Amino acid sequence: GAGVSQSPRYKVAKRGQDVALRCDPISGHVSLFWYQQALGQGPEFLTYFQNEAQLDKSGLPSDRFFAERPEGSVSTLKIQRTQQEDSAVYLCASSLWGQDQPQHFGDGTRLSIL
Amino acid sequence: AQTVTQSQPEMSVQEAETVTLSCTYDTSESDYYLFWYKQPPSRQMILVIRQEAYKQQNATENRFSVNFQKAAKSFSLKISDSQLGDAAMYFCAYRSPFAQGGSEKLVFGKGTKLTVNP
Repeated sequence: GAGVSQSPRYKVAKRGQDVALRCDPISGHVSLFWYQQALGQGPEFLTYFQNEAQLDKSGLPSDRFFAERPEGSVSTLKIQRTQQEDSAVYLCASSLWGQDQPQHFGDGTRLSIL
Repeated sequence: AQTVTQSQPEMSVQEAETVTLSCTYDTSESDYYLFWYKQPPSRQMILVIRQEAYKQQNATENRFSVNFQKAAKSFSLKISDSQLGDAAMYFCAYRSPFAQGGSEKLVFGKGTKLTVNP
């Protein structure tokens, strides 16, 4: 596809359930990012991949959050034992490798924990 | 750590008029990138304009221009001839210098909601 694709667009889960969010970056984009955007706030960084290597996971809020990109393309963000404070929009972005390459964002997944 | 502050939670402008959105940031780095992103209700974040800190000339993209004041750590966005389609949340973002093996993450402000009145 032409842009970053995220699925599902909406996800509702009960507290305590595990969820998996998918990101399909623009073809050829080496860098991939996950951000969390709470209602009315700016996105906050979660984690960053360069190809399959997770170079920065400093933004993951707890060990319940796990991200992977095993083949350097599609990425999955997994949240275990979800809690209400996990409710947010999860944005994925990708970019080419390089100093001046902008990040291209997907439409996001809105996660609601009941 | 770098921080980005947008002091205007909401702004409004009349169609065809000009509006300026404010952004300040805090950093000890001398070289970095600054961005303005637009997020319509559809949620997709769209890059509006970017500025490299080592370039003194202010970036311009059609009706969008920035006023980059490095010493003051200020990076405002001016939208000229505002259109109804400009209505959105606008986020200012900071990115550290590129480093091999380092993170290219963006640090965002809290955003400014822009309303365009017909």
